[in-house]
Amino acid sequence: EAGVVQSPRYKIIEKKQPVAFWCNPISGHNTLYWYRQNLGQGPELLIRYENEEAVDDSQLPKDRFSAERLKGVDSTLKIQPAELGDSAVYLCTSSHSPRAFLMNTEAFFGQGTRLTVV
Amino acid sequence: AQKVTQAQTEISVVEKEDVTLDCVYETRDTTYYLFWYKQPPSGELVFLIRRNSFDEQNEISGRYSWNFQKSTSSFNFTITASQVVDSAVYFCALRPNTGGFKTIFGAGTRLFVKA
Repeated sequence: EAGVVQSPRYKIIEKKQPVAFWCNPISGHNTLYWYRQNLGQGPELLIRYENEEAVDDSQLPKDRFSAERLKGVDSTLKIQPAELGDSAVYLCTSSHSPRAFLMNTEAFFGQGTRLTVV
Repeated sequence: AQKVTQAQTEISVVEKEDVTLDCVYETRDTTYYLFWYKQPPSGELVFLIRRNSFDEQNEISGRYSWNFQKSTSSFNFTITASQVVDSAVYFCALRPNTGGFKTIFGAGTRLFVKA
């Protein structure tokens, strides 16, 4: 079974430029999460999708960040314009619906996109 | 407040030593889940274990063991006879039953195992 696939692995951009990250979750996983992991810290949730619906985006800085999950499969996370403080690893993870969580499902993480804003 | 504290920022051991990674959590939920993840240098987070709040039975999986103590809100992770391949950052995480299934991660403990 293929894991969660993210691209690109690395991205270096100048501040004020736009950037987009792409995530292909595990087939059949309804739930998709984007996390941001700053250097030396644990991941922090940015947004959670149930199928194509963003059900928790309370942590997403909406002035510059946007995300979409068309057709409830692949997802993109965009930053426009990027700031120096956005430098981090952006992790995508997928799982079966949390409602199935009691049935011992688990979330699987991609390798992440390491963004450096200069 | 929902919070996970991993007080050890970095630990360095010599191969074959045992090492324990500490994790203390805070939550008001009576139902919650605790996790440990391993993040090797390649960057992906690898799931190691999940525990629910009603199951305080300790678990052993090969060289890994976990000690869940609800009375002290701790979920410690021990690696027995450590190996160089165990070098990674280890994250403890909490998922309360409320709050939209948000997983809250600790800051991580970086483990160096020297040959």
